[in-house]
Amino acid sequence: SYELTQPPSVSVFPGQTASISCSGDKLEDTYVTWYQQKPGQSPVLVMFQDSKRPSGTPERFSGSNSGNTATLTISGTQSMDEADYYCQAWHSSTLVFGGGTKLTVL
Amino acid sequence: QVTLRESGPALVKPTQTLTLTCTFSGFSLNTSGMCVSWVRQPPGQALEWLALIDWEDDKYYKTSLKTRLTISKDTPRNQVVLTMTNMDPLDTATYYCARRQGGLTGDAFDIWGQGTMVSVSS
Repeated sequence: SYELTQPPSVSVFPGQTASISCSGDKLEDTYVTWYQQKPGQSPVLVMFQDSKRPSGTPERFSGSNSGNTATLTISGTQSMDEADYYCQAWHSSTLVFGGGTKLTVL
Repeated sequence: QVTLRESGPALVKPTQTLTLTCTFSGFSLNTSGMCVSWVRQPPGQALEWLALIDWEDDKYYKTSLKTRLTISKDTPRNQVVLTMTNMDPLDTATYYCARRQGGLTGDAFDIWGQGTMVSVSS
């Protein structure tokens, strides 16, 4: 079965750039979506079709997808960005989530 | 305003069948591109996709759970129902329903329900 691999954790100082990766075989052949989830809350869409921000997602969030790796980048990270982040992709008519990355803002 | 709300039992016994209902408002499953999906999250663990139903009544399931899952829709009542048979303690999780509208947000789930916690225990 298809798998998406994310680092379990990423740490960043406020104001610095955080990069969260999502790896899967030939991932560039499909669109990647990213969700943010804060403790006790439902996931929130922050990026779709690799690099498109829905309304409400701050401009400091950006996305890319090339080769086997998609990346969610947060520039000028703020304390409010501390959360779990999940990537998602469709493969062979099934949907897969990555294992999630806990972003800690130090 | 688009909202989704999950409902169902908070506790089920092992081997029982779980039935969850997603009641939504602000959109119609008759609209081209519209889909509703179920996703679960065991305590402290990652999101896990379960099933999706689209406006044409096409259904998609997580391969490893396909034999246990059934998703259906009641369009006039704005509801999507998920049944999961032969429940096991490992199925203890928060179950979410979420909308995919296609179009503006592609294949992403742009709106999620608040989730409902289901525990499986004798």
